[in-house]
Amino acid sequence: LAKTTQPISMDSYEGQEVNITCSHNNIATNDYITWYQQFPSQGPRFIIQGYKTKVTNEVASLFIPADRKSSTLSLPRVSLSDTAVYYCLVAGGGADGLTFGKGTHLIIQP
Amino acid sequence: DTAVSQTPKYLVTQMGNDKSIKCEQNLGHDTMYWYKQDSKKFLKIMFSYNNKELIINETVPNRFSPKSPDKAHLNLHINSLELGDSAVYFCASRAGVSWEQYFGPGTRLTVT
Repeated sequence: LAKTTQPISMDSYEGQEVNITCSHNNIATNDYITWYQQFPSQGPRFIIQGYKTKVTNEVASLFIPADRKSSTLSLPRVSLSDTAVYYCLVAGGGADGLTFGKGTHLIIQP
Repeated sequence: DTAVSQTPKYLVTQMGNDKSIKCEQNLGHDTMYWYKQDSKKFLKIMFSYNNKELIINETVPNRFSPKSPDKAHLNLHINSLELGDSAVYFCASRAGVSWEQYFGPGTRLTVT
């Protein structure tokens, strides 16, 4: 079973900032938090990874509190093309961390 | 250039047949994976290879046999196909200590 819990779905509008939170209460010391995006009929695409505090790249930011039991993926100014399923994955070795959960189906409306 | 490629993209076959899916990555990565995504969209790890050695072998039927002839290739052979094997199979790879995985386009297997 996946070690993560995410909302099943979220709705937002173009131009808004979207925050998707993932719970991972049993995260281990060596685990990293990664996020993936998947469009229908495609393989997941890596978005961002982090260990603690804040990580930012050209498409997203990842906020991780000090206890690391949750993380928040932030997508700035979303567009219709950001409609996809977003998966949170806690990876650090072993198969448990490589089983994706149901993910969050993000729907962006005009 | 395609980073992670899989063949075939679609595979329709009958119960009891044996089939293979091939995966190749041109990224120079040393770790490769096979995942299965079922109709409910759960994406579950099946196997992991590091430098041609099997390091993760999840609870899958022994009808499934991976084979890595070299670091760039990881193939999946399935014997005696069953209806429940119908799914999309994804190959992925990653390098070193990063957990950034690169996924292939998937192979949609339909068993009739």
